[in-house]
Amino acid sequence: DIQMTQSPSFLSASVGDRVTINCKASQNINRYLNWYQQKLGEAPKLLIYNANSLQTGIPSRFSGSGSGTDFTLSINRVESEDFSVYYCQQSYSLPYTFGAGTKLELK
Amino acid sequence: QVQLKESGPGLVQPSQTLSLTCTVSGFSLTSYNVHWVRQPPGKGLEWMGRMRYNGDTSYNSALKSRLSISRDTSKNQVFLKMNSLQTDDTGTYYCTRDRNYGSYGTFAYWGQGTLVTVSS
Repeated sequence: DIQMTQSPSFLSASVGDRVTINCKASQNINRYLNWYQQKLGEAPKLLIYNANSLQTGIPSRFSGSGSGTDFTLSINRVESEDFSVYYCQQSYSLPYTFGAGTKLELK
Repeated sequence: QVQLKESGPGLVQPSQTLSLTCTVSGFSLTSYNVHWVRQPPGKGLEWMGRMRYNGDTSYNSALKSRLSISRDTSKNQVFLKMNSLQTDDTGTYYCTRDRNYGSYGTFAYWGQGTLVTVSS
């Protein structure tokens, strides 16, 4: 199975900050990397697919980059609604696997 | 619009079998893959398995011996059955759909989730 390692596990930020979350795959997954946001008590929401494609309806302050084994989710000018948990997930091969999550907290 | 909704018992006794239903609308099960993903309380996400558009199934090897996924296309339903439940199977179970045909494993549509507690 492909292991997905996210860092950091916790991230403190203020409204208006730019933040980045990292995700590393245990093997080459090309660009088959997705990012999700999950708010407390809700289902995950797809933000970014194929490493850098913005899902319909997602604000442009979210962006993704990377290929191969190293990927990044960036949030430009964090807003109050962005404080939640973020997961990366590989869709390169079965079983699909997720990172452990990064909790973005208000500083 | 695309909708998925999970249903099933909220409480299952240890060693018993879990049966969940995912009822979908706004798309055809013969055109899109539907997956099951679960999440223990306060923890991360685990892909369990999928029902492909053509009726084929795939399972997470960690669960394969206990898990079965099936469907009824006439009722727009996908079923999950998992036996020999233990307390660490407690969590929220989601059904989810691929973003579009060919975008395999990219989960764009999710049900609300159903909480399953394994306890005597």
